[in-house]
Amino acid sequence: AQSVAQPEDQVNVAEGNPLTVKCTYSVSGNPYLFWYVQYPNRGLQFLLKYITGDNLVKGSYGFEAEFNKSQTSFHLKKPSALVSDSALYFCAVTNNAGNMLTFGGGTRLMVKP
Amino acid sequence: EAQVTQNPRYLITVTGKKLTVTCSQNMNHEYMSWYRQDPGLGLRQIYYSMNVEVTDKGDVPEGYKVSRKEKRNFPLILESPSPNQTSLYFCASSGQGNQPQHFGDGTRLSIL
Repeated sequence: AQSVAQPEDQVNVAEGNPLTVKCTYSVSGNPYLFWYVQYPNRGLQFLLKYITGDNLVKGSYGFEAEFNKSQTSFHLKKPSALVSDSALYFCAVTNNAGNMLTFGGGTRLMVKP
Repeated sequence: EAQVTQNPRYLITVTGKKLTVTCSQNMNHEYMSWYRQDPGLGLRQIYYSMNVEVTDKGDVPEGYKVSRKEKRNFPLILESPSPNQTSLYFCASSGQGNQPQHFGDGTRLSIL
């Protein structure tokens, strides 16, 4: 069975500082990895994905994520956080069959001015 | 505008009264899915559909039914709702299951 772990329920960071939101996964076959963001009273919005290729992927709103196969991790990063980045972030995994998508429990990012 | 539309957005009902949450997408996507979101548990997949007339169970299918008679619609049916089905539900679609999904804005169900 596939699984995703987001070890931090909440991450606090000051505006302008770099941020990292952690994600580790387990899946059979080649991983397809995603990050989504959820703002209050809204559905999830796609941020970025890793399928194959460069281990550093760039996405929307200045976010990027680093794929590490040996550590089975896919951490979300941003060089300089904005207050508007405060939201709930979800990591998700599937494989090339693409039938089931498994989400982590979510990490709340709080960026303080 | 490309979108996934769910209805209703909010519903309070009672145990045992059958209900249907509709989901429609206008992107001609083959893959559609239902999730429930509960605090601390993230999103858990209820059912998914790879194409018309093709549906399969996700991680938490008990107490739910789905159908996919048309490509654009994927309703979620609770035949006999119970309080443990009180949750926030999301419908999503994508071209294929391993592509980024487009999510609806959610349906908050309260079963009393």
